Amino acid sequence: DGGITQSPKYLFRKEGQNVTLSCEQNLNHDAMYWYRQDPGQGLRLIYYSQIVNDFQKGDIAEGYSVSREKKESFPLTVTSAQKNPTAFYLCASSILSVSNQPQHFGDGTRLSIL
Amino acid sequence: KNEVEQSPQNLTAQEGEFITINCSYSVGISALHWLQQHPGGGIVSLFMLSSGKKKHGRLIATINIQEKHSSLHITASHPRDSAVYICAVRGGTSYGKLTFGQGTILTVHP
Repeated sequence: DGGITQSPKYLFRKEGQNVTLSCEQNLNHDAMYWYRQDPGQGLRLIYYSQIVNDFQKGDIAEGYSVSREKKESFPLTVTSAQKNPTAFYLCASSILSVSNQPQHFGDGTRLSIL
Repeated sequence: KNEVEQSPQNLTAQEGEFITINCSYSVGISALHWLQQHPGGGIVSLFMLSSGKKKHGRLIATINIQEKHSSLHITASHPRDSAVYICAVRGGTSYGKLTFGQGTILTVHP
């Protein structure tokens, strides 16, 4: 079955360390997205990519970095510059970012900084 | 004021009740999405609509573009419907990013 795989489900890191969250999709979607979810708040866009080797900042990109070397993969690195990294991170993909197609979501990664 | 507002924030119902969740938005949109987030965190897309009404099983979604308002209805609610329901709107720009409401936590008791 096609879908989005995020790993790991839970991630713990010490303060000051960079950490990379994995997102892989086998839906052959062009567009991929990273969102952050905090309790009581709507999802906020961190980065998005419409095509391989290209990506754009979302609303809260500071302290994060991404790469898009392959169509199916869009890893997110939470750097030590991110002041409050503890959150739930969701990856999504869609056929094209400019069309009215639904986004497909992964199951998320819950990151906790110790 | 958020661009997308949902009400209520929390909703408790007894099994079998008819449920309505509301979503109001303040920006021009090309489409509105209703999403369901399960307790484990995964999100599934329930509906995408730009006008009128859509129905899938016991779920009905409506949108009124003039009033900038959408509703999600659940008929004959069941405990397995317990989840967070999220409204998201897609902007009218060429990129069309999604802007999300804060979600409605629904708990259905047997």
